[in-house]
Amino acid sequence: ILNVEQSPQSLHVQEGDSTNFTCSFPSSNFYALHWYRWETAKSPEALFVMTLNGDEKKKGRISATLNTKEGYSYLYIKGSQPEDSATYLCAFWDTGNQFYFGTGTSLTVIP
Amino acid sequence: SAVISQKPSRDICQRGTSLTIQCQVDSQVTMMFWYRQQPGQSLTLIATANQGSEATYESGFVIDKFPISRPNLTFSTLTVSNMSPEDSSIYLCSVEYGTSSEQYFGPGTRLTVT
Repeated sequence: ILNVEQSPQSLHVQEGDSTNFTCSFPSSNFYALHWYRWETAKSPEALFVMTLNGDEKKKGRISATLNTKEGYSYLYIKGSQPEDSATYLCAFWDTGNQFYFGTGTSLTVIP
Repeated sequence: SAVISQKPSRDICQRGTSLTIQCQVDSQVTMMFWYRQQPGQSLTLIATANQGSEATYESGFVIDKFPISRPNLTFSTLTVSNMSPEDSSIYLCSVEYGTSSEQYFGPGTRLTVT
């Protein structure tokens, strides 16, 4: 079982603050890195699928970067809003077609 | 995208009983996946269910404990058998859809075993 780590485990920010968190994964046998947002009582929703070293993806105020050589990805949220409150999961997909999820970062945005 | 529903959304069950969770997809998909998230843990893959063949279980999960059915391309069930408090988790089904390998998840079933 591979180790996919996310930090911090939880985070409280004020509305309007920008924030970021980290997903660390093995640098070998990399195929893809997925980010999901999981709001309470809803399905996890795919945010980004990242495959190439140096990838940068953006969706609205949320963006992500990928470094496959050192095994990490950052998720950034600019100008956090209360509706951004959720658990953000990353998932490492290896060349053997196996998915490994991190434990998630729980974000609470305080109005 | 795919729309996935799960039933029940939550349940409280007694030790030793079994619960069957249903997963319905609004389009035909080849593979469906069942995950579990125990409190404070990662989402962990239980098994992959292909229509017309036996499910493939991940290490640490066995068919006797988590029997799965996949009668057609839009439906699957996962049964949690002979439950114990350690089975208290959120159980999610998901499908891969499209070319980008994104997974689409159901809303989950929150199971508490007392």
